[in-house]
Amino acid sequence: QKEVEQDPGPLSVPEGAIVSLNCTYSNSAFQYFMWYRQYSRKGPELLMYTYSSGNKEDGRFTAQVDKSSKYISLFIRDSQPSDSATYLCAMSASGGYQKVTFGTGTKLQVIP
Amino acid sequence: GAGVSQTPSNKVTEKGKYVELRCDPISGHTALYWYRQSLGQGPEFLIYFQGTGAADDSGLPNDRFFAVRPEGSVSTLKIQRTERGDSAVYLCANPGEGKWRDTQYFGPGTRLTVL
Repeated sequence: QKEVEQDPGPLSVPEGAIVSLNCTYSNSAFQYFMWYRQYSRKGPELLMYTYSSGNKEDGRFTAQVDKSSKYISLFIRDSQPSDSATYLCAMSASGGYQKVTFGTGTKLQVIP
Repeated sequence: GAGVSQTPSNKVTEKGKYVELRCDPISGHTALYWYRQSLGQGPEFLIYFQGTGAADDSGLPNDRFFAVRPEGSVSTLKIQRTERGDSAVYLCANPGEGKWRDTQYFGPGTRLTVL
């Protein structure tokens, strides 16, 4: 079983919809949680970063972490066609210079 | 440069050949990471450099893979006797700065195809 599980999708939604992306994990040592967006043939781009449990909001994006359930989410409000990409959850056990463990990514398509 | 750069962007080689992939990191960063991303998968950790030395190479799949960073800036990932299963995108990353130091910033990757 992988340390980080993520539904690969694809997920297809109409423009303006609220999108919910999720990951579960098994390693209770994970404390740092990230979401990356990756466009086709590009490197991953950091979207959101959260330490420990709680919510974080940045514009149309909200990241939630529930460490008791080992479950993290990314919500995208008012989704746009430009949001069409693969979204990768990622996490690490400690801060500083540590390797990051990624989910497989969820492919999102926002239809105009 | 402003970000991490990688060369070449694409590399096609034949099974059994040797390849080198280059990473030019963000100036001044002592830490550098290599990851490998296979089709339909998330990036998988290969190796982490702190300065010139490999602080963690636990992700290298076997002894055909080797990486160096002789002057603590540019890094080269070397793959000997390439196999078709080595085909993937190889990503290089630097940590962020300040409050972002616990995250990683990626280059565009080198897409390696082994025929």
